[in-house]
Amino acid sequence: AQSVTQLGSHVSVSEGALVLLRCNYSSSVPPYLFWYVQYPNQGLQLLLKYTSAATLVKGINGFEAEFKKSETSFHLTKPSAHMSDAAEYFCAVSDQAGSGYSTLTFGKGTMLLVSP
Amino acid sequence: DGGITQSPKYLFRKEGQNVTLSCEQNLNHDAMYWYRQDPGQGLRLIYYSQIVNDFQKGDIAEGYSVSREKKESFPLTVTSAQKNPTAFYLCASRKTGGLTGGSGRRTGELFFGEGSRLTVL
Repeated sequence: AQSVTQLGSHVSVSEGALVLLRCNYSSSVPPYLFWYVQYPNQGLQLLLKYTSAATLVKGINGFEAEFKKSETSFHLTKPSAHMSDAAEYFCAVSDQAGSGYSTLTFGKGTMLLVSP
Repeated sequence: DGGITQSPKYLFRKEGQNVTLSCEQNLNHDAMYWYRQDPGQGLRLIYYSQIVNDFQKGDIAEGYSVSREKKESFPLTVTSAQKNPTAFYLCASRKTGGLTGGSGRRTGELFFGEGSRLTVL
């Protein structure tokens, strides 16, 4: 079984400051990892994904994440926060379904608050 | 444009009533999923389906039922047996061809609908 832990249910930054959202995972097999963003009363949108290629993954809206196997981490960063980045962010890990298909297990989410 | 359509967006139910949430996709994806979202708890898997006429229980299937009669459709019924049905429900689908990992696992991401908010009165 796999699991995801997101440290901090809320993170507050000022506009222009560095954004760092933390994600640690547990998986019995090499993981595939994802970050999603959710705006109020909307579905989830994929920011980026790690699928065993480059360990530094670049996504949309200036976000990137680095896969660190030794730390079992996949933290999300952005050099400079914008007001429009205020949303809830979810980290997810894929499992190994016996049929070859997979489901995603999600963390509990981190709400990013951006102040002017 | 291709995507996933969930309806209704908002739904109110009296206790003891069954309700059905619709999910339709035109992405030609084989796999479809239902997640439940509660504040501070993230997303929890209710049911998922890999192919037509087949589906599996997720982590919190009790009080829910699904069907998969067509590739494009995966409706979720919230039954009266679900003790706390007030939540935000998200449907997702997934492409099962293309990129695979070394173990043969499919690695594609989930595509989500806009969600349905169910409130029990």
